[in-house]
Amino acid sequence: GAVVSQHPSRVICKSGTSVKIECRSLDFQATTMFWYRQFPKQSLMLMATSNEGSKATYEQGVEKDKFLINHASLTLSTLTVTSAHPEDSSFYICSATRDSPQETQYFGPGTRLLVL
Amino acid sequence: RKEVEQDPGPFNVPEGATVAFNCTYSNSASQSFFWYRQDCRKEPKLLMSVYSSGNEDGRFTAQLNRASQYISLLIRDSKLSDSATYLCVVNVGYNQGGKLIFGQGTELSVKP
Repeated sequence: GAVVSQHPSRVICKSGTSVKIECRSLDFQATTMFWYRQFPKQSLMLMATSNEGSKATYEQGVEKDKFLINHASLTLSTLTVTSAHPEDSSFYICSATRDSPQETQYFGPGTRLLVL
Repeated sequence: RKEVEQDPGPFNVPEGATVAFNCTYSNSASQSFFWYRQDCRKEPKLLMSVYSSGNEDGRFTAQLNRASQYISLLIRDSKLSDSATYLCVVNVGYNQGGKLIFGQGTELSVKP
């Protein structure tokens, strides 16, 4: 199967700090990784699409300077929430595809962020 | 109008019941369709893809009507373990990078 991991699984931080979340494809090379956010009782919302070695494409309304995405290799993408505020508290989930972004997306287990 | 809309929940059913979920999507250029299952505080997991010809996987049957832009999921002989939130998901197409659009989900609770 295709396994995607995320680290950390949960994080609590103080307002104003930055938090980095890692997304790794463990047994395949991911050409494309997606970052989603899910608020309580709501569905997943795509934040951005990242391709290895190029700039991420952000969805409308997502601040690229606040949510920094780095896709440095074919197995690792990172999302950094800069200067986090309580309203950034959410469930962040990544997914990855093997060959092209149109292929099946394999989801990571998610990272629960709580900003105090 | 939301791009993907689902039945509001929750659905509370007894074990053994048959339950049907409905979903509509607004983008007629959408190319592929899925049902995902999400357990509380977990990531979504693919339940099944949905095809125009209809497809069945054990107790689960999915249907797609492209003309009506309508997707359904039928669960027969429901089990306690079927309790979860069911997400209708649409891939809006290659020209848009294969983005998945998620419905808001329908919560199912199966009771003994």
